[in-house]
Amino acid sequence: EAGVAQSPRYKIIEKRQSVAFWCNPISGHATLYWYQQILGQGPKLLIQFQNNGVVDDSQLPKDRFSAERLKGVDSTLKIQPAKLEDSAVYLCASSLEGGGGTDTQYFGPGTRLTVL
Amino acid sequence: AQSVTQLGSHVSVSEGALVLLRCNYSSSVPPYLFWYVQYPNQGLQLLLKYTTGATLVKGINGFEAEFKKSETSFHLTKPSAHMSDAAEYFCAVDDNYGQNFVFGPGTRLSVLP
Repeated sequence: EAGVAQSPRYKIIEKRQSVAFWCNPISGHATLYWYQQILGQGPKLLIQFQNNGVVDDSQLPKDRFSAERLKGVDSTLKIQPAKLEDSAVYLCASSLEGGGGTDTQYFGPGTRLTVL
Repeated sequence: AQSVTQLGSHVSVSEGALVLLRCNYSSSVPPYLFWYVQYPNQGLQLLLKYTTGATLVKGINGFEAEFKKSETSFHLTKPSAHMSDAAEYFCAVDDNYGQNFVFGPGTRLSVLP
């Protein structure tokens, strides 16, 4: 079974530029998550999709971050414009149903973003 | 809002020694509890989880954790450390059926030869 795929693995941009990350979840997984992991901290949930609908985006900085999952499969996360504090690893995860403890989240390798 | 505390951002043990990584949480309802491991430049991998039932949970790679409601703790242990256990370990809690998943800050485990 193929795991969660993410691209690119690394990205370096100047502040005020825009950037996009892509995630392809495990086939058949209904729920997709985007996390931001700042160096030395635990991952923080940015947005959660159930199929192509948003379940939780309460911690997504909506003035600069956007995410979509149009066909309920793969997803993109965009930052426009980027700030220095956006430097982090962006993790994508997926789960079969999204029902909490009985449902395991599987993580991709992440995209490491550096904003100069 | 719930929170997760992991005592010790960095723990060092000798190979063959006991591993103990601490996790405490605050939650207003009985939570689901998780431990994840992250190797360098890799995503997170689930080690074990507690949902209901037996409070001592066994996971992969010889790790186990015990849910203690009275202490609001979910400490991770392994009887004998291996060099391959060196990684970052994250405790996480979910008290809203997948809609309020919070990670702790992580503990980096070093294993000394």
